[in-house]
This record gives sequence, C-alpha cells and structure tokens, in this order.
Amino acid sequence: ETGVTQSPTHLIKTRGQQVTLRCSSQSGHNTVSWYQQALGQGPQFIFQYYREEENGRGNFPPRFSGLQFPNYSSELNVNALELDDSALYLCASSPGGASGGNTIYFGEGSWLTVV
Amino acid sequence: AQRVTQPEKLLSVFKGAPVELKCNYSYSGSPELFWYVQYSRQRLQLLLRHISRESIKGFTADLNKGETSFHLKKPFAQEEDSAMYYCALRGPSGSARQLTFGSGTQLTVLP
Repeated sequence: ETGVTQSPTHLIKTRGQQVTLRCSSQSGHNTVSWYQQALGQGPQFIFQYYREEENGRGNFPPRFSGLQFPNYSSELNVNALELDDSALYLCASSPGGASGGNTIYFGEGSWLTVV
Repeated sequence: AQRVTQPEKLLSVFKGAPVELKCNYSYSGSPELFWYVQYSRQRLQLLLRHISRESIKGFTADLNKGETSFHLKKPFAQEEDSAMYYCALRGPSGSARQLTFGSGTQLTVLP
C-alpha cells in the first residue's frame, strides 16, 4: 500500500468555478506530478514539481496551476472550469530528484465533475 | 513527440489460455517502458518495467526496439489477472521524465 493520499475523492463544480485538489506525497518523496485521466483514456501528464518549483509541464493551459509545499504535499488548482475538465485527477510521487527517480507511486485520485 | 498505442481496448481470454497485450510506441531516443495495472477499485500501480527484465505475477514484457513494441505476455492467464492495463513510456534522465500512457486495455479472464 502506497502512502500517496488525495482529497477530496469526489466533487462537483459548476462551469466557470475554481477548484483545488490536494495531495500528500509518500514519505521521503520530493517529486510530485499530476495527471488528468478522462473517461476511457490513459492518464495525461499535467505538470511536475520538485523542491517547490515546477520543472515540467504537459500540454495544459495556464489555468491549470500547482503548488508544492516544504513538506512535499501539493495542490492542483484549476481556474475557470470547463465541462471538459471533468476527469479523474491523479497525484503521483517519486523519490530522488528533479528527474523523478525510478518508481512513481500513484494516489487513488480525485473525481471532478463539472456541470 | 512521444506516443504510446494500445490497439485493443478490450481483450477476453479463458482461464489458462495465453494472453498478450499489445503496446507500440514512438519516441526518438531510448525510452524507458513500463506496464501499469489497475485492479477494480484500486489505484494505478507499477507491474513491471523493461530495464528490470523481471517477471511479475507471471507476466513478462520484452522491449523490441526494431518494432518499437513492448507487448505484455503471460502463458497461462488467471481470473485474478482481470484488470485495466496501461503501457507507459518515459523519456531520458535530465528532463521532468513524465510518463506518457496509452489508452489502456481492459483484460477479462473468463472462468
């Protein structure tokens, strides 16, 4: 059982609102990344944080932003929500530096529904 | 651009039969390849990676650079193998090394 925990597990938001999703990394992991998984698709990389700095980003607009805190927990913020943002959002942590270490551990995800 | 293709969305086999889940990739370089599995109501977890050349739960996968494939195989499928399987690729060290996933194959092993 991995130590990556995410909250909330489910939430519903209205188009145009903002949402914050939270992740607590596995102990000792200083790299965190976020993925979006739409229904029927594989996870898509949003961005990665190492030592509180973003060090990689996928093909997502600036309204997707994040934070990593000194205790390595992190947040994913999405502004101006759109219907297509409805998806499972996965947090993943890994040890060992900016290049993300070897093994990536995933949380159970936060289901976001935008109506 | 890196890309992972899993041509089968659904695959059903009978218990005891061999199973092969296909994965093809495109990448200009030497990627790392992985298989992740998601059992019902559980989180995504690593099954195996090509650099380890290991067998996990009877599954193996060989990286074929000529065919740019990383197919997952098991000689005798078990009912507990029923799950969603994702093939994933990661770029070289020095970058953010994000995973690029395929769209997944839902494997059902019938009794």
